Amino acid sequence: GAVVSQHPSWVICKSGTSVKIECRSLDFQATTMFWYRQFPKQSLMLMATSNEGSKATYEQGVEKDKFLINHASLTLSTLTVTSAHPEDSSFYICRARQGAGNYGYTFGSGTRLTVV
Amino acid sequence: GESVGLHLPTLSVQEGDNSIINCAYSNSASDYFIWYKQESGKGPQFIIDIRSNMDKRQGQRVTVLLNKTVKHLSLQIAATQPGDSAVYFCAENLRGGADGLTFGKGTHLIIQP
Repeated sequence: GAVVSQHPSWVICKSGTSVKIECRSLDFQATTMFWYRQFPKQSLMLMATSNEGSKATYEQGVEKDKFLINHASLTLSTLTVTSAHPEDSSFYICRARQGAGNYGYTFGSGTRLTVV
Repeated sequence: GESVGLHLPTLSVQEGDNSIINCAYSNSASDYFIWYKQESGKGPQFIIDIRSNMDKRQGQRVTVLLNKTVKHLSLQIAATQPGDSAVYFCAENLRGGADGLTFGKGTHLIIQP
């Protein structure tokens, strides 16, 4: 089945630094990538949606200059948390969709970000 | 706003018993529903899905029931095993929505020996 590889699985960084999270679709082309944030004991909150070759669409309240999303190819999307602060500590998850209208959704394994 | 919600945040069942996790949705325009399982520190895993033109769908040890009249979705897990311990989310897809998936709050299923 479709697999989305997400790296790193966990990362600890100092406040003020930037962290890049990658999601790769291994055996299919991800025309759309969704990025979520999940706080402990809470549901997934959609941060942004990106289509290959286009600028990402951010949800209300999500700072696009802080959470940089790149979807330059059909198999790779990245989320960069810039100037990270402790309140950015969370579990970040990507989800890939293959083709418009396709109901095939595959999640990455998630990245636990801790900012100290 | 419209959202998907779950009735119970935590469900504790005996190993071997059947589990029923419930979900209420409020958007009648939703045409596709998915149940996900999320283990601690991992991404959600697809369990089973159902389209709005169906009332019931069965998988291996799991059954999803959809009642469009009362906008209710349930996930039944037969003969619950320790490996079933996880948080279960329902998600709905809005008809014609570019993304569509709206996630419920999640139910933590605890299996007691």
